[in-house]
Amino acid sequence: NAGVTQTPKFQVLKTGQSMTLQCAQDMNHEYMSWYRQDPGMGLRLIHYSVGAGITDQGEVPNGYNVSRSTTEDFPLRLLSAAPSQTSVYFCASTRTGGRPGANVLTFGAGSRLTVL
Amino acid sequence: KQEVTQIPAALSVPEGENLVLNCSFTDSAIYNLQWFRQDPGKGLTSLLLIQSSQREQTSGRLNASLDKSSGRSTLYIAASQPGDSATYLCAVSSGNTGKLIFGQGTTLQVKP
Repeated sequence: NAGVTQTPKFQVLKTGQSMTLQCAQDMNHEYMSWYRQDPGMGLRLIHYSVGAGITDQGEVPNGYNVSRSTTEDFPLRLLSAAPSQTSVYFCASTRTGGRPGANVLTFGAGSRLTVL
Repeated sequence: KQEVTQIPAALSVPEGENLVLNCSFTDSAIYNLQWFRQDPGKGLTSLLLIQSSQREQTSGRLNASLDKSSGRSTLYIAASQPGDSATYLCAVSSGNTGKLIFGQGTTLQVKP
């Protein structure tokens, strides 16, 4: 199993450009989420989804857009990149409910984004 | 608003020492608490998950405890090894979802 796959691993953008960070999981997990990690601030939740067609905002959603058309994919879109969005982005997934392994997040390797 | 704090931010110990990492949270109404390990430049790996009804969980040399009433959790690492060097993060969830609130982490260095 590949687990959670994020692409690209590194990206440099200019202010105002848009881009999409891709996230795919092959574990049939219902729940998927995006976090950003900044020095000294830990991980903060951007958006999450509890299933295909359902998304919701996390702690820091401004400037980001998501959609969940399939169970496997959860792309994160930066609409107009700003230097404040320079960060490392992590996608994570888990199964929910009372089954074994529920709520144990599996993380991707991360995408390092620099906005100039 | 739930806040999670980990102290100290960094810790350096000699190989073989037993050590404790601390995590505190402000709202005791949690669903579960998880400990993760992060190696430099890598993603997070789940180490232990403690349900709110549990007091501790063990995996190999790792033991995590939970005291909801005091808003604290500890991660005990026995007989530390250089391979344990990493950043350890704790995170709490308020419901049966994957929504987590993370602490800032403790960076551990185990010297040979």
